[in-house]
Formats: sequence, structure tokens, C-alpha cells
Amino acid sequence: KAGVTQTPRYLIKTRGQQVTLSCSPISGHRSVSWYQQTPGQGLQFLFEYFSETQRNKGNFPGRFSGRQFSNSRSEMNVSTLELGDSALYLCASSFAGSDTQYFGPGTRLTVL
Amino acid sequence: DQQVKQNSPSLSVQEGRISILNCDYTNSMFDYFLWYKKYPAEGPTFLISISSIKDKNEDGRFTVFLNKSAKHLSLHIVPSQPGDSAVYFCAASEYSGAGSYQLTFGKGTKLSVIP
Repeated sequence: KAGVTQTPRYLIKTRGQQVTLSCSPISGHRSVSWYQQTPGQGLQFLFEYFSETQRNKGNFPGRFSGRQFSNSRSEMNVSTLELGDSALYLCASSFAGSDTQYFGPGTRLTVL
Repeated sequence: DQQVKQNSPSLSVQEGRISILNCDYTNSMFDYFLWYKKYPAEGPTFLISISSIKDKNEDGRFTVFLNKSAKHLSLHIVPSQPGDSAVYFCAASEYSGAGSYQLTFGKGTKLSVIP
């Protein structure tokens, strides 16, 4: 069974731009969560989607948004990029009602 | 306010010996705990988990112990192998309603297994 896939793997943007990251969950997984990983803060929860609805949201500004499609694929968008948004963005999927999440390889975003 | 703490940023162990990674938590609502392993430039890989109704779970060389009264869990790796060198994250799960479980992660412990 294929794992969680994320595209692109690497991205370089400049301040003020916006970016869209994509995540395809493991087949059969309907829950998709997004995390930001930075050296100082570890993994921080952004939001979770299930059945095209945002079920849970972390403590991030409104510039961070996401959506989920009917096939469970998910995208996250960051608008008006800031230097501090440089991070590894990780997507994780899980079966409905399961605590265990499986992660993709991440997208490394660099904001210049 | 860190709800999940891994107080040792790094740990070095000789090959063949035991590695013990520790994790403390403060939120009494956490009822499921997981360990993930992460290599550079890869996403975290699920390793082992434990429910709050248990105090021990084993999977091959990996054993997780949970002490609920102390709000402490630990991961034991026996025997340690060079391929175990990675960053290990402790995570705690809390039910956040509507069928959703939110994971809170520690900041990780970098394990180096010396041949």
C-alpha cells in the first residue's frame, strides 16, 4: 500500500507570495492533518480535515488555510508569506476514529 | 506551555546496549501515546504506541512503558543498533470532539548509536 505523498518536496518563495502544498493520504484514510516543523518549536499542529470539513484547528494565523477534496486529498495554502514561515510542512493521514497518524515526507518551504 | 516534554535533546549509546528515551506530559486528558522516529529529510515514522489503560507495550526490540501517576512514559530499545540513530518524538493524543484526535508532540530526542 502506498504511503502518504506530498508535493512538492522543496519550494522556495519570497516574502509576500503565497504557496499551495498538496497531500495525498494513504488509500482508505479519510482524516488528514497538517503540521509545521521548525527547529525551535518541534511539530506544531495546523489543522485537521475529515470528509472535506475542517474538524480541528491549531493556533496559527488566518494566513494558513486548507481544504480537502472528495477523494480525501488535501491542500494547504499560506498567503502573504513571511520569513518565519520557512519550515518543513508535514501531512499525516489516519483511519476515521484512529489515534495513529502516518506521515508523508514533508515539503521543505524556504521563504527569502 | 509545553504539554509534552522530552527533556533530553540528545542521547548517545553504544551499539548493543539499551537506549532509554523519556517523555513527560502535563495534560490528564491525554489517553493514548505514540513514539515516532524521524530521519533527516523524511517524515516521522510511527514506531509504537500505548493506551492509557496499559502500562507496557512491546514490539520486537522496542518497549514503551507508561506511568500514569507520574505522567511519564519511556521508550526502551534493546539492543540498540546503528540504524536506530534518528530523532525520536513522543506524542500524546487527546480526543477533541467530533471523532477527531489531536496529537501533541514533544520536541524530540536525537539518538546516536555508536558502533
